[in-house]
Amino acid sequence: AQSVTQLGSHVSVSEGALVLLRCNYSSSVPPYLFWYVQYPNQGLQLLLKYTTGATLVKGINGFEAEFKKSETSFHLTKPSAHMSDAAEYFCAVSDRRQGGKLIFGQGTELSVKP
Amino acid sequence: EAGVTQFPSHSVIEKGQTVTLRCDPISGHDNLYWYRRVMGKEIKFLLHFVKESKQDESGMPNNRFLAERTGGTYSTLKVQPAELEDSGVYFCASSQALGLSYEQYFGPGTRLTVT
Repeated sequence: AQSVTQLGSHVSVSEGALVLLRCNYSSSVPPYLFWYVQYPNQGLQLLLKYTTGATLVKGINGFEAEFKKSETSFHLTKPSAHMSDAAEYFCAVSDRRQGGKLIFGQGTELSVKP
Repeated sequence: EAGVTQFPSHSVIEKGQTVTLRCDPISGHDNLYWYRRVMGKEIKFLLHFVKESKQDESGMPNNRFLAERTGGTYSTLKVQPAELEDSGVYFCASSQALGLSYEQYFGPGTRLTVT
């Protein structure tokens, strides 16, 4: 069975500081990995995904994530936080053989201080 | 192109009542998924349709939940009778094929409160 663990339910950074949101997964097959973001009163929006190929993936709004198979990790980073990055972030894993359903982590609430 | 839409955005009902949630996927998307987030918990998969057929309903909590997808277009999720623990946000998502370009597009969710 697949699972996802996000370390830290709340992360607070200062504007301009590095953003690092941690995600570890468990999967018996090569996974598809995703990061979604949810802004207040909105649905989930895809930030980036890894399916195959280059392990460093770039997404929208300056975010990127690196797939590290040896560490079973897919951490999300952004060099410089902006106030507009305040939101909840979800890491998810999918097994294409199981119809593509997403298994989510618990979510990380990111706060950005001025 | 219109995104995934869900109706209503918020529903407050009493325990024992019935509620029906609706999801309209992106046009042409054969795959439709329902998820739920109970307060304080992670988002959990409920079920997956491919066109009008239920592909995977392993996440449905119990037989008080009934999902349908008429003609492979919109989908409804009925809860009857509703219990307090059914409160949460219900998300719908849709996607095209399950290849390397695979991506699920989510709706804004329906917040269900059972009192």
